Amino acid sequence: NAGVTQTPKFRVLKTGQSMTLLCAQDMNHEYMYWYRQDPGMGLRLIHYSVGEGTTAKGEVPDGYNVSRLKKQNFLLGLESAAPSQTSVYFCASLTAGYGYTFGSGTRLTVV
Amino acid sequence: QKEVEQDPGPLSVPEGAIVSLNCTYSNSAFQYFMWYRQYSRKGPELLMYTYSSGNKEDGRFTAQVDKSSKYISLFIRDSQPSDSATYLCAMSEGAAGGFKTIFGAGTRLFVKA
Repeated sequence: NAGVTQTPKFRVLKTGQSMTLLCAQDMNHEYMYWYRQDPGMGLRLIHYSVGEGTTAKGEVPDGYNVSRLKKQNFLLGLESAAPSQTSVYFCASLTAGYGYTFGSGTRLTVV
Repeated sequence: QKEVEQDPGPLSVPEGAIVSLNCTYSNSAFQYFMWYRQYSRKGPELLMYTYSSGNKEDGRFTAQVDKSSKYISLFIRDSQPSDSATYLCAMSEGAAGGFKTIFGAGTRLFVKA
């Protein structure tokens, strides 16, 4: 049982480039989330989904887009990367009453 | 003022010590309280999940919630070097996925052998 799998694990982008972060979960969870983690700021919610075909904005959505075409996958896109988007990105899924299951993270550096 | 405040540490203790980690919060509507452990370069993993006030124990870990004081704690007994990690508190108004969860910034713990 893999839980939540994120790809890639590391990436370096140039300013203005685009990329997609992939998240897959095999627990049949309805809810999925993208967070970013920065030193001293904790985890901040970017976007989330409460079910297949749905997405909603979180606390820091600007510069990101998401899609949830299949229940098990949640994609995070960066349209035009900026240095301020250098961060560690975590995908998570949740079933009510049991807390989050997080992936191992994607370390993104934008130069 | 942040909704959740957590001392960043680092906190360094000798092996076998009792560790106390704490968070304070301002939103009285929070009802669900969690503690996550995050090892270096890994994702957070759920340690404790509690509802409302009171204590919950799981092995060497005890979570305590005092809603009247808006204060939660995680106690680690007989601490081990393998407990060295960052501990994140988190809280939410509801258990379902549509409720916002707020995370503390984390406390770094070092347990020396």
